[in-house]
Amino acid sequence: NAGVTQTPKFQVLKTGQSMTLQCAQDMNHNSMYWYRQDPGMGLRLIYYSASEGTTDKGEVPNGYNVSRLNKREFSLRLESAAPSQTSVYFCASSPGQYSNQPQHFGDGTRLSIL
Amino acid sequence: GNSVTQMEGPVTLSEEAFLTINCTYTATGYPSLFWYVQYPGEGLQLLLKATKADDKGSNKGFEATYRKETTSFHLEKGSVQVSDSAVYFCALSSGSARQLTFGSGTQLTVLP
Repeated sequence: NAGVTQTPKFQVLKTGQSMTLQCAQDMNHNSMYWYRQDPGMGLRLIYYSASEGTTDKGEVPNGYNVSRLNKREFSLRLESAAPSQTSVYFCASSPGQYSNQPQHFGDGTRLSIL
Repeated sequence: GNSVTQMEGPVTLSEEAFLTINCTYTATGYPSLFWYVQYPGEGLQLLLKATKADDKGSNKGFEATYRKETTSFHLEKGSVQVSDSAVYFCALSSGSARQLTFGSGTQLTVLP
């Protein structure tokens, strides 16, 4: 029963390098989300996809791009990594149609930018 | 816009003590409210939820009541255990894709 799977779990990059974080869910959910978690700031929404074929900006989208590859997969790309993007990144999914349905989270990707 | 204000941490309690973590929110419309828990090195897990005013969510001895008049959703547990040590997040759900807005999190440590 995998739920939401994120890869990789850990990554170290140099400033200016690019990278794609992968996320896949096996719950047939319509909506998927990317958050970043920084100390003392909770989780902040980067991008989300309400349904297959759509993506929208969240609270902190600058420096990121996303792709909803199909219903299962939602990737996050850093085109030119900066030290300010050092964070823990979480992917989540939900059925999406009703606000009382909770999101399910992956275990996170811990990303350090040197 | 929407916002969630959560009790500052960290909180340290002795085993079997009573726990309250305060959470207040600002939102348009009628959001759903959630408490998530994060254990070290893991992702967030849903602890409980409430979808309308006066609803009480409960799970594993934790409870929270959706108070629209005070825009609050405080988390309580009558007797905490060492295994409850974790970070607790209050959140609300809104928008066309039901995006979550989180509080800053409260670190709870329970000592034996």
